[in-house]
Amino acid sequence: EPEVTQTPSHQVTQMGQEVILRCVPISNHLYFYWYRQILGQKVEFLVSFYNNEISEKSEIFDDQFSVERPDGSNFTLKIRSTKLEDSAMYFCASSPQGPGAPLHFGNGTRLTVT
Amino acid sequence: GENVGLHLPTLSVQEGDNSIINCAYSNSASDYFIWYKQESGKGPQFIIDIRSNMDKRQGQRVTVLLNKTVKHLSLQIAATQPGDSAVYFCAENTFSGSARQLTFGSGTQLTVLP
Repeated sequence: EPEVTQTPSHQVTQMGQEVILRCVPISNHLYFYWYRQILGQKVEFLVSFYNNEISEKSEIFDDQFSVERPDGSNFTLKIRSTKLEDSAMYFCASSPQGPGAPLHFGNGTRLTVT
Repeated sequence: GENVGLHLPTLSVQEGDNSIINCAYSNSASDYFIWYKQESGKGPQFIIDIRSNMDKRQGQRVTVLLNKTVKHLSLQIAATQPGDSAVYFCAENTFSGSARQLTFGSGTQLTVLP
């Protein structure tokens, strides 16, 4: 069964550094998402991406965040200048369609900002 | 075993018993609901979904019930097995702008006792 893959599984970075989290969505999917989960808390929406542009973003997704689909297979989340509070699990998800279809999640990247 | 709402974050059941996990959603405009299972260190895994034009849907060993009148969703797991131990999240599809994002509930930790 096809799956969403994310790399790295764990990223440790110093406060103020830039990080890029990488995702390979399921190949025939058209909608891509980033969510995050702070330890022990609920999964929170960050951004959705369709047709090479952002469809929707949450309040969390401020100017420090950006997403890109640099080629036909990768989908990346960049955090420009990391803060301690950015420490969380970051999940990439994809879906074959927008509304009314389940999202398929990767196993996440654990980001630790020190 | 049964829990009510998301105020009780843990549910323990004996192996072989049926489990009922409940979720109260907030947005009366939501029309698509999903249950996800999250095992430790992994991303949310799709279990079952239901649209608002239905009040019941069955899968393999799982049933989702939707009561739109009281904005309540439940997941029933038949003959609970040790492999069912995980955190279970309900998610609702909330229309917002030009795209729809999933809004996750707080989750319930299901523990299956031998």
